[in-house]
Amino acid sequence: EVQLVESGGGLVQTGRSLRLSCAASGFTFDDYAMHWVRQAPGKGLEWVSGISWNSGSIGYADSVKGRFTISRDNAKNSLYLQMNSLRAEDTALYYCVKHTGVEVAGYYFDYWGQGTLVTVSS
Amino acid sequence: QSVLTQPPSASGTPGQRVTISCSGSSSNIGSNYVYWYQQLPGTAPKLLIYRNNQRPSGVPDRFSGSKSGTSASLAISGLRSEDEADYYCAAWDDSLSGYWVFGGGTKLTVL
Repeated sequence: EVQLVESGGGLVQTGRSLRLSCAASGFTFDDYAMHWVRQAPGKGLEWVSGISWNSGSIGYADSVKGRFTISRDNAKNSLYLQMNSLRAEDTALYYCVKHTGVEVAGYYFDYWGQGTLVTVSS
Repeated sequence: QSVLTQPPSASGTPGQRVTISCSGSSSNIGSNYVYWYQQLPGTAPKLLIYRNNQRPSGVPDRFSGSKSGTSASLAISGLRSEDEADYYCAAWDDSLSGYWVFGGGTKLTVL
């Protein structure tokens, strides 16, 4: 059974940093690209970032480019999101999402974690 | 403002057929597959339709997807109370360096 368990969320002040983690199990982690997708309270889904199976290809939404860094450790079956210079508009539930292909583009998302909540406040 | 445009709400009575539209452009829906996700209240999204009109195993055939040009639709027939949820369309967008885009979501109410 595929499991994606996010952690690292919490309340943080504007301008500070936070690192999210996602522990994956139930599938061969390094066979697939992975993503972070967020959902602000009461709002829709927004793709944040994606990383290919071997970290060779990475993409970011314009809203986080230059502030967030995605990475993965295939030996630890883990996905990360380093979030710097946080803003109030980054407040959201952050989902770890499995892709069905090896690259960020093409194919699609199939499994989602339950999310970790990030609240940015002054 | 989402790149893909969906109506914010839709409704129907049990047994009815409802459709939800998703409008995009040549750089996303017009040149790539469309995917649909269902988000039940308080839960994570779940894949409902992939590659425009394919259903994952376990998804009832009451759900169907279609695509024409730069628009796509999700149809739900034989509406049931448990279908009350938010529905999102998604596609890869080829513009700039490429990125994934979602619709703003449609809240389906079963009356």
